[in-house]
Amino acid sequence: AQSVAQPEDQVNVAEGNPLTVKCTYSVSGNPYLFWYVQYPNRGLQFLLKYITGDNLVKGSYGFEAEFNKSQTSFHLKRPSALVSDSALYFCAVRVRGDSWGKFQFGAGTQVVVTP
Amino acid sequence: SAVISQKPSRDICQRGTSLTIQCQVDSQVTMMFWYRQQPGQSLTLIATANQGSEATYESGFVIDKFPISRPNLTFSTLTVSNMSPEDSSIYLCSVEGFFGPGTRLTVL
Repeated sequence: AQSVAQPEDQVNVAEGNPLTVKCTYSVSGNPYLFWYVQYPNRGLQFLLKYITGDNLVKGSYGFEAEFNKSQTSFHLKRPSALVSDSALYFCAVRVRGDSWGKFQFGAGTQVVVTP
Repeated sequence: SAVISQKPSRDICQRGTSLTIQCQVDSQVTMMFWYRQQPGQSLTLIATANQGSEATYESGFVIDKFPISRPNLTFSTLTVSNMSPEDSSIYLCSVEGFFGPGTRLTVL
């Protein structure tokens, strides 16, 4: 069974400092990993995904994520956080054997960026 | 990426009633997915809706409670039946890894 874990319920960071949101995964075979962001009273917005290729994935809004197979991690990063990055972030793994759309989500990490 | 719209965006309903949520996609897709996000929780898959066949439900979800229709390749509905306060959630439609804006349901 595929699963992802987000070990931090909340991450606090000052504006301008680096932001990292952690995600570890447990899958059989090669993982298909995703990051989404949810702003208050909004739906889920796709940030980036890792399917294959370069371990550093660049996504929307200046976010990137690093796939690390040996550590089974897929941490989301932003070199310089903005107050507008304050939101709920979800890591997800695509369930194998199904077409696009069937995901197992992590518990979510609330990011708070202070001015 | 697919453009996904949902109706209604939010609703407040009485216990024991039913609500049907609509999901419209701007392109034809084989599979559409319905997720539930309970307050303060992550997303959980309810069911997969295939055009021309019955929906496939995940463990813990049944057709009598969450009937789904998929009349064509761009549209699906999810009905939340005989609602109770525990059904208060955001319900999201998803296609190919992209999500609709969600329907925020409050049951009194």
